[in-house]
Parts: sequence; C-alpha cells; structure tokens
Amino acid sequence: AQSVTQLGSHVSVSEGALVLLRCNYSSSVPPYLFWYVQYPNQGLQLLLKYTSAATLVKGINGFEAEFKKSETSFHLTKPSAHMSDAAEYFCAVSLQGGSEKLVFGKGMKLTVNP
Amino acid sequence: EPEVTQTPSHQVTQMGQEVILRCVPISNHLYFYWYRQILGQKVEFLVSFYNNEISEKSEIFDDQFSVERPDGSNFTLKIRSTKLEDSAMYFCASRKGDRGNQPQHFGDGTRLSIL
Repeated sequence: AQSVTQLGSHVSVSEGALVLLRCNYSSSVPPYLFWYVQYPNQGLQLLLKYTSAATLVKGINGFEAEFKKSETSFHLTKPSAHMSDAAEYFCAVSLQGGSEKLVFGKGMKLTVNP
Repeated sequence: EPEVTQTPSHQVTQMGQEVILRCVPISNHLYFYWYRQILGQKVEFLVSFYNNEISEKSEIFDDQFSVERPDGSNFTLKIRSTKLEDSAMYFCASRKGDRGNQPQHFGDGTRLSIL
C-alpha cells in the first residue's frame, strides 16, 4: 500500500523567503505524485503533478517540485514566498491503473509573515 | 475552466437522519470520487466510481454509505443513518481518465455537521 509523510504541520516563512515543504512517499510500484493547495474555505486545487517525463516539475504560482526516487521524496519549493501563498498544502500519491485513488499526507499549513 | 460543483456548501442534520450530498463532476470526466476530511485530520478516500459502478471503496465506506449517478450529470453520496462521527468536510472529485496520470479535480466541499 502507498503512503505519504509530511513531517510537521505548520511552516512559517517571511515574505520573500524560500518555501520548502517536504514530502516523502512509500509505494511498491512507481507512483503518480501530486501537490494540492487548499485556501481557506475552498476545495483542493492542483499545484503540480509528477510525470515520468521530467524529475523537476513546474506548477502554478511559481511552485516546483523535484522527484528523487533514491530518496522517495517529492519536496515542494518556491524561491520567494508571497503573502498570497498562505494556505494548506497537501502531498498525494496514487498508483498507476485501477481507480487511481489519492492517498494524502496530513497537510502542511504555510504562514507567510510580512 | 470547467469546475466540479458541490451542493450544499453546509449541511446540518440530526443524528440518525439520512443525508444526500450532491456533486456535478466535469462533463467529460469518467472517474468520480468522494473523500472526506474530519476537522484537523488528513483527507481520506471514501469511494471511486467508474462506468456506473463502484471501482474501489475504503473501510470507511460501510453499508451506511452509498453512491449514485442518477442522471448522467449528478453524482451523489448518501449516508443512510448519520452518526456524530460523520461530521466532516466531504469533497467530490472527478478525473478525465482517458489516459494515465491525469489529476483529479476537486469541488469546494460540503461541510456536514451532525447534531
């Protein structure tokens, strides 16, 4: 069975600082990997997804993530945080074939300080 | 851009009552899902639906739960006799599914409060 680990529950950065949100996964077969963002009182919005074509994936709003098979990681980064990035971020994994249900990490709340 | 829409946004129900949560997936999508998020916990998979039948369900999705696509556009989740622990945010999602690795698109959720 697949699983996702997001250590910690809250990250606080200053505006303009680097954002780094960690995600490690466990999967018996090559997984599909995703990052979703949830703004207050809204649903989950796709930030980016991993495809086997490239290990460095660029998403919306300046975010990117790098797939590292040797580390079973898919960390999310953004060079310079903006106030509007304050939200909760979820890493998710699914298996190829079948229903491709998503298994989520517990999420990371990002606070951006002025 | 097409969206997944969910109604109502907030549902308050007495314990033991039946509740139906409604979703309109994106029109050309083939796979449909329900997830729930209990306050302070992670988003959990409930059920997936494809070709008019359940393709996978979790342990949470017991006999009290059912799903239906009654008219080709709506996708509903019914809880027959609600319990206090059913209080959660319920998310509907859909995926195109005509090839691999396509993302799921989520609605804004229905907050279900059981009294």
